[in-house]
Amino acid sequence: KQEVTQIPAALSVPEGENLVLNCSFTDSAIYNLQWFRQDPGKGLTSLLLIQSSQREQTSGRLNASLDKSSGRSTLYIAASQPGDSATYLCAVKDNYGQNFVFGPGTRLSVLP
Amino acid sequence: DTEVTQTPKHLVMGMTNKKSLKCEQHMGHRAMYWYKQKAKKPPELMFVYSYEKLSINESVPSRFSPECPNSSLLNLHLHALQPEDSALYLCASSRLSGSNDNEQFFGPGTRLTVL
Repeated sequence: KQEVTQIPAALSVPEGENLVLNCSFTDSAIYNLQWFRQDPGKGLTSLLLIQSSQREQTSGRLNASLDKSSGRSTLYIAASQPGDSATYLCAVKDNYGQNFVFGPGTRLSVLP
Repeated sequence: DTEVTQTPKHLVMGMTNKKSLKCEQHMGHRAMYWYKQKAKKPPELMFVYSYEKLSINESVPSRFSPECPNSSLLNLHLHALQPEDSALYLCASSRLSGSNDNEQFFGPGTRLTVL
C-alpha cells in the first residue's frame, strides 16, 4: 500500500529565502505526482503535476523534481514571500488505483 | 471555465436532518471525486466517479450517498450524520481518472458541522 510522507511538518523562514519541501513515497510504481497548496479552511490549489516520465516541472518561482527510483520529490520555492504561507501537500497517483494518496503536508510560514 | 464550484459554503445540520452537497465543473472532466478533510489532516478519499459511474467507494458509511446525475454534476446526500462527520468536504475533478494526465482540480469545499 502506497504511503506518502512529507518533511518537515512545519517550516518558518524569513521573506526572501529559497526553500525546499520534501515528499517521499514508498512504492516507486507511480503514474504521477501533484503538488498543492492549501490556505486555512480553503480548497486545494494545484501547483505542479509531474508525470512519471518527467524529472521536473517549473512554474514561476516554483520548481518540482521527481526521482522515482528513490521515491522522492522536492518542491523548491525561490525568493519566498509572505503570500506563500500555506500548507503544501504532495499527492501520488500509483499504478494500482484511480486515486491520489496524499502526504500529511508541510505548514509553511514566511515572515515579513 | 477552469473551476470547480461547491455549494453550500457552510452547512450546519442536526443528526436527524437530510441535506445534500453539490459540486459542479464545466471543464469536460469525466472523473469526479469526494474527499473528507479533518482539521490539520490531509484529504481522505471517499468516492470516485468515472464516466458517471461509481468506481471507488472507500468503505464510506451508508449515511453518505453519492450521486452523479451527469458529467458536470456531483452530489453527496447526507442522512443521519454523527458529530464526528463534521469536516471540510472537498470535491475534485480530473480529465480521466485512469490516464497519466489526470491533474486534479479542487473546489473550495463545504464546511459541514453536525450538531
